[in-house]
Amino acid sequence: QKEVEQDPGPLSVPEGAIVSLNCTYSNSAFQYFMWYRQYSRKGPELLMYTYSSGNKEDGRFTAQVDKSSKYISLFIRDSQPSDSATYLCAGGDFNKFYFGSGTKLNVKP
Amino acid sequence: IAGITQAPTSQILAAGRRMTLRCTQDMRHNAMYWYRQDLGLGLRLIHYSNTAGTTGKGEVPDGYSVSRANTDDFPLTLASAVPSQTSVYFCASSVASGGLTDTQYFGPGTRLTVL
Repeated sequence: QKEVEQDPGPLSVPEGAIVSLNCTYSNSAFQYFMWYRQYSRKGPELLMYTYSSGNKEDGRFTAQVDKSSKYISLFIRDSQPSDSATYLCAGGDFNKFYFGSGTKLNVKP
Repeated sequence: IAGITQAPTSQILAAGRRMTLRCTQDMRHNAMYWYRQDLGLGLRLIHYSNTAGTTGKGEVPDGYSVSRANTDDFPLTLASAVPSQTSVYFCASSVASGGLTDTQYFGPGTRLTVL
């Protein structure tokens, strides 16, 4: 079992839709969680990070962690075609991070 | 230079050949990492270095070696390339290892094909 599991998609939504991207993780010791966005043929770029459980909001993006169910979510409001990319979740403890395989998102104009 | 640079951008390599992928950062980050990214498997850590002079093994270290002679450079060497090492390789760095200071910044990647 992978440390972090993520549905690969692809997920296709119309412009303006609310997008929900999800991951599960297996190690209850994980304290730190991140979301990266990766455009085609580019390196991943950090979108958001959170510590422990709770929500964090940054503009149209909200990251949510539920440690009781080992569930990580990223919500995108008012999605834009420029949001089309692969989204990678990651979780870890003090020493190491583990990445999900990524969910490909396509926002149609 | 701004951020992380990787070289080459892409490479086609014959099996059995030796290859070094280069990675340089100018952010004075202490920690550096090498990942490979394969379809369906996501990013997998190959080797890491918490600080200059130290290295450690990640999830998939076999067939790869690294060195960290200084803060800025973290080359990855394939001693004798095999087709299963065909992948996209990403170098990353972070201020330090551990916790939120482990926020990693990635380079643009090297696409390696081993025939």
